[in-house]
Amino acid sequence: GENVEQHPSTLSVQEGDSAVIKCTYSDSASNYFPWYKQELGKRPQLIIDIRSNVGEKKDQRIAVTLNKTAKHFSLHITETQPEDSAVYFCAAIEPEKLVFGKGMKLTVNP
Amino acid sequence: DAEITQSPRHKITETGRQVTLACHQTWNHNNMFWYRQDLGHGLRLIHYSYGVQDTNKGEVSDGYSVSRSNTEDLPLTLESAASSQTSVYFCASSASGGYNEQFFGPGTRLTVL
Repeated sequence: GENVEQHPSTLSVQEGDSAVIKCTYSDSASNYFPWYKQELGKRPQLIIDIRSNVGEKKDQRIAVTLNKTAKHFSLHITETQPEDSAVYFCAAIEPEKLVFGKGMKLTVNP
Repeated sequence: DAEITQSPRHKITETGRQVTLACHQTWNHNNMFWYRQDLGHGLRLIHYSYGVQDTNKGEVSDGYSVSRSNTEDLPLTLESAASSQTSVYFCASSASGGYNEQFFGPGTRLTVL
């Protein structure tokens, strides 16, 4: 079955810096890769996703890149703000169900 | 507006008791999922369902069961609660088709004493 590895597990940045979260997956058949953000005490919520026929996708300050050959994908957050502080989960689809990475706690210091 | 709800939001129970956590969605989604979230382990899949009368085991299904008698509900039952099942439980749902967003419920914090 699919295995998703996520690193680093924690990241602390200064407000305005960029943050990058990297994930690798094992199943070359996976074709959908969503990213979820979970604020403290809240439910995970989708922030961006990418399909395997696309190499990059942007939405304002966040972007996701996908390298199918290397089987890795990354989340990039530019101009970080304190409200970006949260746990971020990457995931890969295994038909109809998601396999999640273990999450990365991002802290943005004012 | 369509939504997904869970009840109770908090539950304290004793070892050995049977506990049922409710999950209800109004999106008419075929797919429903139960996860547990523990520090250092992320979101681990317990059970999932692709439609009425369909249930499947996830990676951490021992000690848990589900049943799907209608589209809207997927209750999770802990047959005999153990302290190792103290966790935050999230229900989620998605439309069929593979590329569809999973919507999560607000979570249930379960403590087994």
